[in-house]
Amino acid sequence: AQKITQTQPGMFVQEKEAVTLDCTYDTSDQSYGLFWYKQPSSGEMIFLIYQGSYDEQNATEGRYSLNFQKARKSANLVISASQLGDSAMYFCAMRGGTDSSYKLIFGSGTRLLVRP
Amino acid sequence: NAGVTQTPKFQVLKTGQSMTLQCAQDMNHNSMYWYRQDPGMGLRLIYYSASEGTTDKGEVPNGYNVSRLNKREFSLRLESAAPSQTSVYFCASSWRGIQETQYFGPGTRLLVL
Repeated sequence: AQKITQTQPGMFVQEKEAVTLDCTYDTSDQSYGLFWYKQPSSGEMIFLIYQGSYDEQNATEGRYSLNFQKARKSANLVISASQLGDSAMYFCAMRGGTDSSYKLIFGSGTRLLVRP
Repeated sequence: NAGVTQTPKFQVLKTGQSMTLQCAQDMNHNSMYWYRQDPGMGLRLIYYSASEGTTDKGEVPNGYNVSRLNKREFSLRLESAAPSQTSVYFCASSWRGIQETQYFGPGTRLLVL
């Protein structure tokens, strides 16, 4: 069975510093995708970054980067130069499976609070 | 380009009442999904539609039905609401491509008394 684990229920970071949010996954599929979403207090789910299982380089999107370690089955999100607006819940998710549904499985999330 | 829209934004029901949550997307996506999010938890898949004309159960389908009305619209129906269905409901859609990023609607907050 596929599973996503986020072990940090909450984290603090000082404004302008970098922070790493942990995510480990479990799957027997060879082809899969890993996603990070941000959920601010307003409630919407905002797509941040994607990493495919066959991608050799770590994904980057602006201040977001994904530290993909396939052998360890980890896909940590790194946010550089934190901003107050980064305070939110962050969810790691995985897409995989042998059917064609491309369903997402979510972790329980990490609440990040950026201190001024 | 509105992306994914959901109606209503908020709803209060009494136990046993029925209602339909509406979702529409204007991104020409093939796949659509319904998730629920309970307090302190990630999203769990209720139902999905991989393409127009098909629907399949997700992780937590009991108590729900869905209809893929056309390529744009995917509705979720609660036939007899229960307090355990109090949650925030998200609709999402995605293109059948390599990346398969799912884009989410703003959510519907449902309270069942």
